[in-house]
Amino acid sequence: AQRVTQPEKLLSVFKGAPVELKCNYSYSGSPELFWYVQYSRQRLQLLLRHISRESIKGFTADLNKGETSFHLKKPFAQEEDSAMYYCALSGPGFQKLVFGTGTRLLVSP
Amino acid sequence: DVKVTQSSRYLVKRTGEKVFLECVQDMDHENMFWYRQDPGLGLRLIYFSYDVKMKEKGDIPEGYSVSREKKERFSLILESASTNQTSMYLCASTTPAVAKNIQYFGAGTRLSVL
Repeated sequence: AQRVTQPEKLLSVFKGAPVELKCNYSYSGSPELFWYVQYSRQRLQLLLRHISRESIKGFTADLNKGETSFHLKKPFAQEEDSAMYYCALSGPGFQKLVFGTGTRLLVSP
Repeated sequence: DVKVTQSSRYLVKRTGEKVFLECVQDMDHENMFWYRQDPGLGLRLIYFSYDVKMKEKGDIPEGYSVSREKKERFSLILESASTNQTSMYLCASTTPAVAKNIQYFGAGTRLSVL
């Protein structure tokens, strides 16, 4: 069965500190992994996906198939990074996504 | 720019009422989805549709039904609303042709069932 686990409900850091939001998944095939973000009073939107291998807003995420992880990282957090972050997994067929329970990131000044 | 529009931002209904949540997308996407978003539970898929008049159950379809009569519109129906259906409902759409597996979301409808 497909499953995405985000162990932290809340991650609180100070501005300028490094950030790592954890995501682990279970899937028998080759999944496609995503990070979606929801800023306050905004709609849920794609942040990045593993096949793009790009950095968005300073965030990166590397797919580690051995550890079945897709952690989201940023070396220096900014206050505007405060948001709800969801890790998601897609398997074959109809482009369904399985979401984790989300991690709220709070960056304090 | 893809636009997914949900007809209501906030909705208050009474137990037992029939509730319609509407979603329209303007990018000719084949696939459309309905999720509910609850604190601590994340997003859970209720139903999805990959074509007009086609629908598939998601993970939590009980108490819900859907309708897709036109490609751009996907409706979620609560046949007899109950208090445990109080939640934020999100609609999303995607197409395999251009943005494979990238889902575009509406702003959400916050439904309160009293």
